[in-house]
Amino acid sequence: GDSVTQMEGPVTLSEEACLTINCTYTATGYPSLFWYVQYPGEGLQLLLKATKADDKGSNKGFEATYRKETTSFHLEKGSVQVSDSAVYFCALSDQTGRRALTFGSGTRLQVQP
Amino acid sequence: GAVVSQHPSRVICKSGTSVKIECRSLDFQATTMFWYRQFPKKSLMLMATSNEGSKATYEQGVEKDKFLINHASLTLSTLTVTSAHPEDSSFYICSARDVLAGDTDTQYFGPGTRLTVL
Repeated sequence: GDSVTQMEGPVTLSEEACLTINCTYTATGYPSLFWYVQYPGEGLQLLLKATKADDKGSNKGFEATYRKETTSFHLEKGSVQVSDSAVYFCALSDQTGRRALTFGSGTRLQVQP
Repeated sequence: GAVVSQHPSRVICKSGTSVKIECRSLDFQATTMFWYRQFPKKSLMLMATSNEGSKATYEQGVEKDKFLINHASLTLSTLTVTSAHPEDSSFYICSARDVLAGDTDTQYFGPGTRLTVL
């Protein structure tokens, strides 16, 4: 079945440092790929998405590129802020009619001033 | 737009009682809603897919008789945990798709319900 693997956290960075959170997937067909973010005490929010190979999703300074050849969708940001502290989930959408999401285990990011 | 609410946000109940959790799409219609369960420091596990006007589709290993799902309208799905036990304590999250927006992939998530069974 489909699966998503992402790096374990927590990841602790200083403000303005570069961020990379690795995500790889296993799926049949050509799934859509997502990054969701969960801020403390809040629900999951869509951060960015990509629906086909070589697409780049971007939002709020975060980027991720759909790499079919390496089955990866790594999340990157050039300069993190304290407000980026949250848990980040990589996910894929299956290709059945229901489009259910399969999530990675989540990576907690802590940004220190 | 695309806001999903859940009620209650937190509930504590005694073992053996039933608890109902509501999930509402506030500004869009959702023919399909999803229910997830999130364990501490773990990922979200899909429990079931809720279809408006028809029976829910449950994931393997999820007890249909224990987790009753009803999707009576295009904006409301309910999850009832029947005869709850301490092992049912968890964070339950719903999500919905705004199919009329033409985006069949993106799900919008509710804030979650923390269930504690004593």
